[in-house]
Amino acid sequence: AQKITQTQPGMFVQEKEAVTLDCTYDTSDQSYGLFWYKQPSSGEMIFLIYQGSYDEQNATEGRYSLNFQKARKSANLVISASQLGDSAMYFCAVNYGGATNKLIFGTGTLLAVQP
Amino acid sequence: DTGVSQDPRHKITKRGQNVTFRCDPISEHNRLYWYRQTLGQGPEFLTYFQNEAQLEKSRLLSDRFSAERPKGSFSTLEIQRTEQGDSAMYLCASSTAGGQGKYFGPGTRLTVL
Repeated sequence: AQKITQTQPGMFVQEKEAVTLDCTYDTSDQSYGLFWYKQPSSGEMIFLIYQGSYDEQNATEGRYSLNFQKARKSANLVISASQLGDSAMYFCAVNYGGATNKLIFGTGTLLAVQP
Repeated sequence: DTGVSQDPRHKITKRGQNVTFRCDPISEHNRLYWYRQTLGQGPEFLTYFQNEAQLEKSRLLSDRFSAERPKGSFSTLEIQRTEQGDSAMYLCASSTAGGQGKYFGPGTRLTVL
């Protein structure tokens, strides 16, 4: 079964510091996509960043970067210069391709940014 | 681009009642997904449409659940004879055919009393 593991149920970070949220996945597929979403307390899922399994360079989107280590099946999210508004649940998800392209999600990490 | 919208945002119902949720995807997106999220968990896939065709259903989608996308635009998710275990956030997402960005709506939070 395809499984996404986020081992950190909760994390604290000081404002303006960087934080890394861990994600590992289990697959024998060669082609897949890796996603990170942010879910504030209001409930909406906000798309942050995407990395394809064949992409050689790590994806970056503003303060977000994805540390992709294919051999380790790891796709950690790095948030630089944390802001109070970054406090939220963060979900890692994998799209294993095929006709559906559905996402399989991890259980999430709750990030709290402290002033 | 007004984003994915869902209606209602909140629904409280009594056990045994039927409920229907609506999702309006981003206009040029032909793929539409429904997910369910219970407290403390990540979203779980329920079903997928490409245009008006429902191409995959999760085994989570019991026969009390039905989803439609009649004209390949908006979609509805109906739950018949609701049970307390149906209480969850129901999320809709859409994307283009080759789209890697899957954009979610704000969700409908269902509470079954």
